[in-house]
Formats: sequence, C-alpha cells, structure tokens
Amino acid sequence: AQTVTQSQPEMSVQEAETVTLSCTYDTSESDYYLFWYKQPPSRQMILVIRQEAYKQQNATENRFSVNFQKAAKSFSLKISDSQLGDAAMYFCAYRSGNQFYFGTGTSLTVIP
Amino acid sequence: NAGVMQNPRHLVRRRGQEARLRCSPMKGHSHVYWYRQLPEEGLKFMVYLQKENIIDESGMPKERFSAEFPKEGPSILRIQQVVRGDSAAYFCASSPNPLVTFPDTQYFGPGTRLTVL
Repeated sequence: AQTVTQSQPEMSVQEAETVTLSCTYDTSESDYYLFWYKQPPSRQMILVIRQEAYKQQNATENRFSVNFQKAAKSFSLKISDSQLGDAAMYFCAYRSGNQFYFGTGTSLTVIP
Repeated sequence: NAGVMQNPRHLVRRRGQEARLRCSPMKGHSHVYWYRQLPEEGLKFMVYLQKENIIDESGMPKERFSAEFPKEGPSILRIQQVVRGDSAAYFCASSPNPLVTFPDTQYFGPGTRLTVL
C-alpha cells in the first residue's frame, strides 16, 4: 500500500529565511508523481510544485524547490526567502494511477 | 478560465438527512475526483469519475455514499442518512483527459464543509 508520511506537524520560519518541510513515502512502483500542495486558511488546495519520479533533476518553481531522493523515498520541500503569504498547511502527495495519496500535513507559521 | 467550482461552500444537515455536494470541473477537464478531509488530517481519496462512468470508487464507503458525473451538469456526491461522523470538508478536483494531456496534476475546488448536527 502506498503511504505518505509528513513527520513535522508544525514548523515555523522567520520571514526571509529558508525552511525545509520533509516528506517520505512508501511504494513498490517505479513510475509515479509527487506533489506539494498548499492549503491556506481559505482551505483552497493550491499546487505548489510537482516532480516526476523518472526525472533525476529536482523541480524548482521560483522560491520553491524540492530535494527528491528516489532511493530513500524522500521528497522534501524547500521554501526560500519565506514570505508571510507562505503561511499555510502544506501537504505532500503521491500519485499512482488514478489515485492521489496525501500526508497529514505540516502547518507552517511565518514569523514577521 | 474559471477554476473548479463547488457548491455549496457550507452545508448543515441534521442526522438522517441527505447531503448533496456539487462540483463543476475546470473547462476542458473530463475527470473528477472527490476527497474527504477530516479535521487535522490530510485528504482521503473517495472516488474518481469520468463523464457517465465511475472509474475507481475504492475509497468510497460502501453504504450511504454515491457519486455521479452525468453527461450534462456537475458531478454530484450524495450522502444519504448523514451521521455526525460525516462532518468533514469534501474536496473535488479535476484533471484533463489523460489521453490528450499529461495526466499528472489535479486542480482542486474550494471544498464544501459539511456539518452534521
């Protein structure tokens, strides 16, 4: 069974600093996709970044980047130059076939 | 291009009543997914539909829950005889036709928060 684990229920970061959110997953498949979604207080799920497992290069979207370690089944999210608007719940997700599997989330607080 | 629309945003029902949640996918998207989010938890997959077809309902409770995506109109998630444990946020997501576009991403609606009294 596929599972996604986010071991940090809460994290905080000073504004303009860098923070890394961790995510590990369990799968026996070789071809899959990984995502980070952000859920602000509005509860809208917003795609932050995605990674195809067959690509070795880590995905980057502006201030957001990932450290994808396929052998270790690790997919961490790095947020650089943190902004107040980054405060939200962050969910790591794994996609295989028709289904997405989500972690339990990390609540990120940005301190002014 | 409007995003995924869900209505109502908030729904209050008494135990035993029926709840109907609606989802209109993004324009051009023919695949709809429903998820349930309990407090302090991540999203749990419920069902995956294409127009007029249920593709995967492995996450759907066997009783009281049903979903449809008719040829015309929104996708409907229906919960009969609601109980307090059904209180949750229900999210809909849509994605493009995987035969046409790389099917890697789902786009989420704002969710419907169901409260059962």
